[in-house]
Amino acid sequence: QKEVEQNSGPLSVPEGAIASLNCTYSDRGSQSFFWYRQYSGKSPELIMFIYSNGDKEDGRFTAQLNKASQYVSLLIRDSQPSDSATYLCAVKVPGYSTLTFGKGTMLLVSP
Amino acid sequence: GAVVSQHPSWVICKSGTSVKIECRSLDFQATTMFWYRQFPKQSLMLMATSNEGSKATYEQGVEKDKFLINHASLTLSTLTVTSAHPEDSSFYICSATRAGANTGELFFGEGSRLTVL
Repeated sequence: QKEVEQNSGPLSVPEGAIASLNCTYSDRGSQSFFWYRQYSGKSPELIMFIYSNGDKEDGRFTAQLNKASQYVSLLIRDSQPSDSATYLCAVKVPGYSTLTFGKGTMLLVSP
Repeated sequence: GAVVSQHPSWVICKSGTSVKIECRSLDFQATTMFWYRQFPKQSLMLMATSNEGSKATYEQGVEKDKFLINHASLTLSTLTVTSAHPEDSSFYICSATRAGANTGELFFGEGSRLTVL
């Protein structure tokens, strides 16, 4: 059973704060991990991906992967109201042709 | 980056009619495309996997005779909602993986919002 779990939120943070979004997955063989952002009424857009344990930084975004704990997170520094969206965690599980998505966490950044 | 284009973005149709949605990969070849459906405030639901030149693979509970998928070329897949009813009103999103890539990264189209009256 392949599962990707996310807290549905909403996660509310003030502007300028760090937003921390978390995701756990069930299949230990999972190979690659993706974070997508989806604005209301729009399709998902890729923020970043990570394959190896540790941190990966891209601008204000940092993805963190811990395969031993089956845990991946996304940190957003200096959060902006424009970051308010639903963040989808997705995992590539071996043997499956597409990504397995979590249900998403809604982030609300207040001015 | 890889661009996936969907058309139309919005469609309103009468109950009982059929609607075709196109999904094109503009700058890459996509051997596999995926069709998702998303109801308001709900998560993405995979409907089917579309492979170029072969029959689509449908997820459990998705009627293949109602949601016809054709993937005739490496850059085009179409979803036809046949005899649409109000309960088919939803946001339909296609996505594609780049041919030859094994990263699993999905490139999404803009989505097509279907409203059946």
